[in-house]
Amino acid sequence: ETGVTQTPRHLVMGMTNKKSLKCEQHLGHNAMYWYKQSAKKPLELMFVYSLEERVENNSVPSRFSPECPNSSHLFLHLHTLQPEDSALYLCASSQHIQGFNEKLFFGSGTQLSVL
Amino acid sequence: TQLLEQSPQFLSIQEGENLTVYCNSSSVFSSLQWYRQEPGEGPVLLVTVVTGGEVKKLKRLTFQFGDARKDSSLHITAAQPGDTGLYLCAVRYSGAGSYQLTFGKGTKLSVIP
Repeated sequence: ETGVTQTPRHLVMGMTNKKSLKCEQHLGHNAMYWYKQSAKKPLELMFVYSLEERVENNSVPSRFSPECPNSSHLFLHLHTLQPEDSALYLCASSQHIQGFNEKLFFGSGTQLSVL
Repeated sequence: TQLLEQSPQFLSIQEGENLTVYCNSSSVFSSLQWYRQEPGEGPVLLVTVVTGGEVKKLKRLTFQFGDARKDSSLHITAAQPGDTGLYLCAVRYSGAGSYQLTFGKGTKLSVIP
């Protein structure tokens, strides 16, 4: 148990569906992240939030829309996805975003399949 | 563009054997972390190294940070089936966006009982 909970664990959706991924952290951290993990690729940072403010959007397509209503919750809203968006989506948190010693705590991920 | 390479990509060994996996960067980094990811789970931090030449031990795992701060190795002694997983190295570079971690593709380790 890392203190970061993601739901759902698995999601299958069609290209015209709208769905949301949810992440909750119970660690009192100030920073939260969305990562994408695809086969044969390194983890890709998608979005970074610090104290509910978005500080990074790594050229992610607009069909992915993040939301951070408070420092404990993070959502990733999905719409009109493509099959190549199928991947494991990982949420993580850290005490702060800066600092070379900063540790990331990951959730178990949502395995997404787009048909 | 900074490149982070991990080798080998795959490793399958018998229980009780020793192994070493490597992480190499094209640029100097300010810190490096090793994570282990088990199937169906997210990565879990094993160690952070920040000083060139630093060596850290965690039970049967030994982590080394190269003197030039461009490489690191992870050595496992007497591997156990519980060591099976994906080993990821992640680095922070200095400068703008220094809060970002750059991950390698990982080494997938299988320890056969």
